[in-house]
Amino acid sequence: SAVISQKPSRDICQRGTSLTIQCQVDSQVTMMFWYRQQPGQSLTLIATANQGSEATYESGFVIDKFPISRPNLTFSTLTVSNMSPEDSSIYLCSVVNRGQRYEQYFGPGTRLTVT
Amino acid sequence: GNSVTQMEGPVTLSEEAFLTINCTYTATGYPSLFWYVQYPGEGLQLLLKATKADDKGSNKGFEATYRKETTSFHLEKGSVQVSDSAVYFCALKVGGGADGLTFGKGTHLIIQP
Repeated sequence: SAVISQKPSRDICQRGTSLTIQCQVDSQVTMMFWYRQQPGQSLTLIATANQGSEATYESGFVIDKFPISRPNLTFSTLTVSNMSPEDSSIYLCSVVNRGQRYEQYFGPGTRLTVT
Repeated sequence: GNSVTQMEGPVTLSEEAFLTINCTYTATGYPSLFWYVQYPGEGLQLLLKATKADDKGSNKGFEATYRKETTSFHLEKGSVQVSDSAVYFCALKVGGGADGLTFGKGTHLIIQP
């Protein structure tokens, strides 16, 4: 499986500010995804990060709030913009390896608290 | 749309007990099915998977069989250990690698010595 790292691992941010989360993979991967896990809840897919083109967002998530970049096959960023306390969650990067189209692996997550 | 329903917890068992965590699904296409586990303080790990009907996924003594007729993927283990205490998520994916996962709400399992 791929080794996935995320930065920062956690942060406490003020309402109205933005935070960019980085996801780095140790090998080239086919697909990268961003998920959110709200406190005590399950994981919800935010978007698919497409290399070289705009991300594909799930219902309820928009580019202005969660802009995503994916400049190459090993790196992606997710920005949480104009934050409110409701954005307090764990944000997880996930990848699908080349040749393993069914198996999806997750990074350690970024724990975000908005005050 | 796609959805996953799993039994809500917490589920509390004694060590060496038999475990079943129920999972049923609805899907717009032919899904692949997964169980993920989240140990305390750790990230999400893939536990096992099944990609077609009647497949049995297995890992670390856990098993789950893809039952298309009942749209189910129940997780079982014959003898649980304290170290199995974790949150277990059932998930599905339709369409292969290009699609994200749809997760159930998770089941918190507590094993008492």
